[in-house]
Amino acid sequence: QVQLQESGPGLVKPSETLSLTCTVSGGSISPYYWSWVRQPPGKGLEWIGYVFYSGSTNYNPSLKSRLTISVDTSKNQFSLELSSVTAADTAVYHCARHRSAWGTHFDFWGLGTLVTVSS
Amino acid sequence: DIQMTQSPSSLSASVGDRVTITCRASQTINTYLNWYQRKPGRAPQLLIYAASSLQSGVPSRFSGSGFGTDFTLTISSLQPEDFATYFCQQSYSSFTFGPGTKVEIK
Repeated sequence: QVQLQESGPGLVKPSETLSLTCTVSGGSISPYYWSWVRQPPGKGLEWIGYVFYSGSTNYNPSLKSRLTISVDTSKNQFSLELSSVTAADTAVYHCARHRSAWGTHFDFWGLGTLVTVSS
Repeated sequence: DIQMTQSPSSLSASVGDRVTITCRASQTINTYLNWYQRKPGRAPQLLIYAASSLQSGVPSRFSGSGFGTDFTLTISSLQPEDFATYFCQQSYSSFTFGPGTKVEIK
């Protein structure tokens, strides 16, 4: 059974960079797409962006200028970096797998990790 | 962006009840609509994909229907383990999610 586990700091200071890693176990990074999704407290889910196992990416336009998503196939991991964070970036961050860029579904998700942006 | 709405936002039901949750897209999305279940402390689980296809391992009491802008998730006979939050997702253009429907014990 494929499992995804998010990891990273739970507290980030305003204006700094939020960095998270998703480790995939029970299966391979290839040939799948890997997304990040977040849910701010009391709000709905927001798709952040995805990386293909080859390294190609697609980002939510609202976050694109601050966002980098990368993949490390040797470690079966992919990562998220979100720069210049503010309190609005406080959220539970999930990673998830899908089989194509669009027109698809997320068949495995991570439990999620809470990241709080605060000084 | 395609906006997704769900109704109701919450409902109370008893074990054995038939439960229906509705999801509406702000524009047509064909059948690019998925349903997920979310429980506290657990990762979201895919229930239905492509509007009506049951994900492997999901009990057959879950079913989905719809096309275009209006979609429905039905639980034919609610079980104790089904008390959870359900949300829809469109994948026609990027990915956006519904706000969720919380199913509580009556």
